[in-house]
Amino acid sequence: QVQLVQSGSELKKPGASVKISCKASGNTFTSYAMNWVRQAPGQGLEWMGWINTNTGNPTYAQGFTGRFVFSLDTSVSTAYLQISSLKAEDTAVYYCATPPPDASLVQGFDYWGQGALVTVSS
Amino acid sequence: QSALTQPPSASGSPGQSVTISCTGTSSDVGGYNYVSWYQQHPGKAPKLMIYEVSKRPSGVPDRFSGSKSGNTASLTVSGLQAEDEADYYCSSYAGRNYWVFGGGTKFTVL
Repeated sequence: QVQLVQSGSELKKPGASVKISCKASGNTFTSYAMNWVRQAPGQGLEWMGWINTNTGNPTYAQGFTGRFVFSLDTSVSTAYLQISSLKAEDTAVYYCATPPPDASLVQGFDYWGQGALVTVSS
Repeated sequence: QSALTQPPSASGSPGQSVTISCTGTSSDVGGYNYVSWYQQHPGKAPKLMIYEVSKRPSGVPDRFSGSKSGNTASLTVSGLQAEDEADYYCSSYAGRNYWVFGGGTKFTVL
């Protein structure tokens, strides 16, 4: 059974950085296509991009370039989202999500982490 | 990549059928048969209900169905039940390994 377990809530000051983790289990880590999705308070879902767990190649959606970095540590089956120069508007729940193992990216996101709340406030 | 357009709200009575629309462009919804629908209850992670326009993942009731015509996709929920009350989001593949979500529809069971 595929499981994505994310790190806990974070409270950060503007200008700081945060690194969120997403640990995958249930299948070979390189069988996942790890996506990141943002949900601001009371708002909808925004696709941030994804990282190829085979090659480590990231793809970023418009609006998520520069301050946002996807990375991997395959030795511990974990994907990371790092956000630098945090702003108040980065306050949101951040989800990792993946299609089924070895499935095409186009099949949609069948498995989701529980979400990690990042609050940016002085 | 602009967000797909969904009605902000929808409602229906128990037992009824309701359809939620999702309008995009020929670069996303109209260009690919890769539309997904997600259900999200308050404080929970989204759940995949429909993928590839009309396919249901294992465990999703057949009361949920999806379709597409041109640049508009639709999610129909029939035989409404109280637990169907949630936010629903559509999503479409937009080429070159990009996805786009709709703005979401808050669905109320009256």
